[in-house]
Amino acid sequence: QVQLVESGGGVVQPGRSLRLSCVASGFRFSSYGMHWVRQTPGKGLEWVAVIWHDGSDKYYTDSVKGRFTVSRDNSKNALYLQMDSLRGEDTAVYYCARDPGYSDYGATMDVWGQGTAVTVSS
Amino acid sequence: IVMTQSPLFLAVTPGEPASISCRSSQSLLYSDGKKYLDWYLQKPGQSPQLLIYLGSTRASGVPDRFSGSGSGTDFTLTISRVEAEDVGVYYCMQALQISYAFGQGTKLEIK
Repeated sequence: QVQLVESGGGVVQPGRSLRLSCVASGFRFSSYGMHWVRQTPGKGLEWVAVIWHDGSDKYYTDSVKGRFTVSRDNSKNALYLQMDSLRGEDTAVYYCARDPGYSDYGATMDVWGQGTAVTVSS
Repeated sequence: IVMTQSPLFLAVTPGEPASISCRSSQSLLYSDGKKYLDWYLQKPGQSPQLLIYLGSTRASGVPDRFSGSGSGTDFTLTISRVEAEDVGVYYCMQALQISYAFGQGTKLEIK
């Protein structure tokens, strides 16, 4: 069945780095754009980043620009989020999500992973 | 674009209707004629799931008691007859402009 499984979360000190992974199964991964979305108790859901199906374009929310990098390896059906210079406000559950491309413009997320928790604390 | 939902909390008797409002600070009607507004439901202990996309199109497998409507800036999610399995937090999301943005969420409980 169609599935996304995240991993790589954990507890990390401020200023350090962490790399999240998301492995896809049950669909042609290379045909879909992919998003990262995070959820904090205080702020709800926040879109983080998107990468085009072939990795040709990437976009980020302002608060992570220059610190986070989204990438993918279509040969491994894998999506990544490299998080550098982590801050306390990056503490959240991070979800990867598939974009079905229902339209030529805009975004939708039709399949979500179970999430991986990141805690940034000294 | 800022998304504002109301109410933030809703308690509904099973079988009764429910409506959630979502307002965007800018029009989500694009030049292609489509309205870039999605609705998601996060059930307790689960990841969000897609309910409605492009303002009014139900996602695969979503019961027809869920419907979406709206103009460029004002949108509504309607549940015609609430069932116990509908509990959770409902989010709208503007899907037009990067950075995509979610509303604060509306928590639906059963009376």
